[in-house]
Amino acid sequence: GQSLEQPSEVTAVEGAIVQINCTYQTSGFYGLSWYQQHDGGAPTFLSYNALDGLEETGRFSSFLSRSDSYGYLLLQELQMKDSASYFCAVQNSGGYQKVTFGTGTKLQVIP
Amino acid sequence: NAGVTQTPKFRVLKTGQSMTLLCAQDMNHEYMYWYRQDPGMGLRLIHYSVGEGTTAKGEVPDGYNVSRLKKQNFLLGLESAAPSQTSVYFCASSTGRTQNTEAFFGQGTRLTVV
Repeated sequence: GQSLEQPSEVTAVEGAIVQINCTYQTSGFYGLSWYQQHDGGAPTFLSYNALDGLEETGRFSSFLSRSDSYGYLLLQELQMKDSASYFCAVQNSGGYQKVTFGTGTKLQVIP
Repeated sequence: NAGVTQTPKFRVLKTGQSMTLLCAQDMNHEYMYWYRQDPGMGLRLIHYSVGEGTTAKGEVPDGYNVSRLKKQNFLLGLESAAPSQTSVYFCASSTGRTQNTEAFFGQGTRLTVV
């Protein structure tokens, strides 16, 4: 089976940096993705890591350690519009490369 | 480019009624998925398809059926709706390539079963 763990809620101050962690257990692993979802909206893709290390896309960075089954999403220079839920997701190799999501971290950015 | 389109956006059903949710994608994606999202539960995979004519069960398939008769369409059916199926349903599609796992989501269908 598969399981992903991430904190349920995080609060951070506008302009600051926040890190959202994700640990996973899966039989077969291809990569870890991150998605953002605003209240009432659809999830949208942020980043994908297949190899160990840091991937940077503007203010957002994502890190993966395959040996530790761990990844994180780093958001810098937080803006109020970053208040949303963030989901990590694993792409596994068990037969078909379907995507399985974690339960999400609700980020609240405060002034 | 419409991406992924779900129909309908909202629906209220009575217990025992049936309905079909339609998902259409115009990106020529091989993989399509149906998820349900409940508070505190994240996105749970109901069924998925890896190509036209194929379907497979996800984490929570009971009470649902699916069909993928055409590559661009993925239908989710509820034969006899129950209040436990009150949820937001999201359809998604992806290429299925190992190098690219980006899934594109529809705007969701908010279903209430009374």
